[in-house]
Order: sequence, then structure tokens, then C-alpha cells
Amino acid sequence: DAGVIQSPRHEVTEMGQEVTLRCKPISGHDYLFWYRQTMMRGLELLIYFNNNVPIDDSGMPEDRFSAKMPNASFSTLKIQPSEPRDSAVYFCASSPIRGSQETQYFGPGTRLLVL
Amino acid sequence: QKEVEQDPGPLSVPEGAIVSLNCTYSNSAFQYFMWYRQYSRKGPELLMYTYSSGNKEDGRFTAQVDKSSKYISLFIRDSQPSDSATYLCAMKETSGSRLTFGEGTQLTVNP
Repeated sequence: DAGVIQSPRHEVTEMGQEVTLRCKPISGHDYLFWYRQTMMRGLELLIYFNNNVPIDDSGMPEDRFSAKMPNASFSTLKIQPSEPRDSAVYFCASSPIRGSQETQYFGPGTRLLVL
Repeated sequence: QKEVEQDPGPLSVPEGAIVSLNCTYSNSAFQYFMWYRQYSRKGPELLMYTYSSGNKEDGRFTAQVDKSSKYISLFIRDSQPSDSATYLCAMKETSGSRLTFGEGTQLTVNP
């Protein structure tokens, strides 16, 4: 298996532009997580899905952020409009099971820089 | 106050040293405790997993959980330069799938 796939790996954009990050989870995994990592705040959970349904979006910082999972093999995280403080590494992770063992497999991340 | 506190380091040790990494937490509902390793410019990968209190050993790595003190540790024996990475602790309550991460400790093992 190729693991969790994220695209693009790097994104540089100007303030006010729309940014779309993409994720393909590991086949057969029921859970998908979006995280943001910064030096100041560490790794923060933004939202997670179970069987394509958003379960907990309490970590989404504001309405400028939205996430979708139209099918089991694809998810997007959109920022519109983007701001410089959104600059971070965004990780997608997927998990095969819930309950006693939470093994999340992370993708390589998307490095976002908003100028 | 953060739910999970972790000294960010950086921590630098010579090859062969024993490394001790620690996290404290405030949420008594945490039952599952994990250590992730993150190499530079990569995503985190699960290293160790422990349920409730106790010890778990895997090769050169030992994870300890002391729920009475709300304190967890990761020990690395005979540290190697390839162990140089950022180590993040993570915790989860029994219900739900949300992990709460520490901010990570940056470790460098010098040859």
C-alpha cells in the first residue's frame, strides 16, 4: 500500500486566495483526520471523519476552513480566503479501527505558506 | 494550561546514551497513551502504544505510564544517530477518536 497520499506537498499563495489541500487515505480505513502543525501550537486536530461523515469539527479554527469527504478514498481541506497565520504544515491521517488501539497513519503533509 | 505538557527541548545526547522523554497531562480521562516519532519534513509515525498504567517494552524502547502522577515516559536505550527526530506523546480518552498531542521533544543523537 502506498500509505496516505497528500497533495500538493508544498503550496505558496497570496493572502486572500483559496487553498485546497487533498488527501487519499489508506484503502479500507474508516477514519480520516486533518491536523495542522505549527511551531507555536504543535499538532492540532482540525476535523475527523468516520465513514465519510464529519464527526468532530471543533478544531476547525473558523468559517474560512471547510473539509469534505465525498467518498472513502478522497478528502479535501479548503481555506477561503487564506491568511498569513494559516501558514503551517497540514497533515492528513487515516485509521483502520476505533476503540482500544488508535493507530493513525499520517501522510507526508502539505507545507502551506501564505504571503 | 495545556492538557498535555511536553518539554520541547532540544535534547542532544551522545550515541549509546539512555534517553528519557516525558509528558505530563491534566485530563484524568485519558486511558490510551502513545508515542509518535517524527523525522524532519515527514509525518508522525506510531512508535509505542500503552493502555492505562504500566510498562511496555519494544526492543530499545520502553514506555511507562503512571496514571496516579499523570506522567508518561519513553526511554531509549543505546541511542543511535538514526533516533534523531522529534518525539510526540499523544493521549486519548476511552470514548471518541480524538488524540491530544504534546508539542514534541526534538532529539539529536550525536555519533
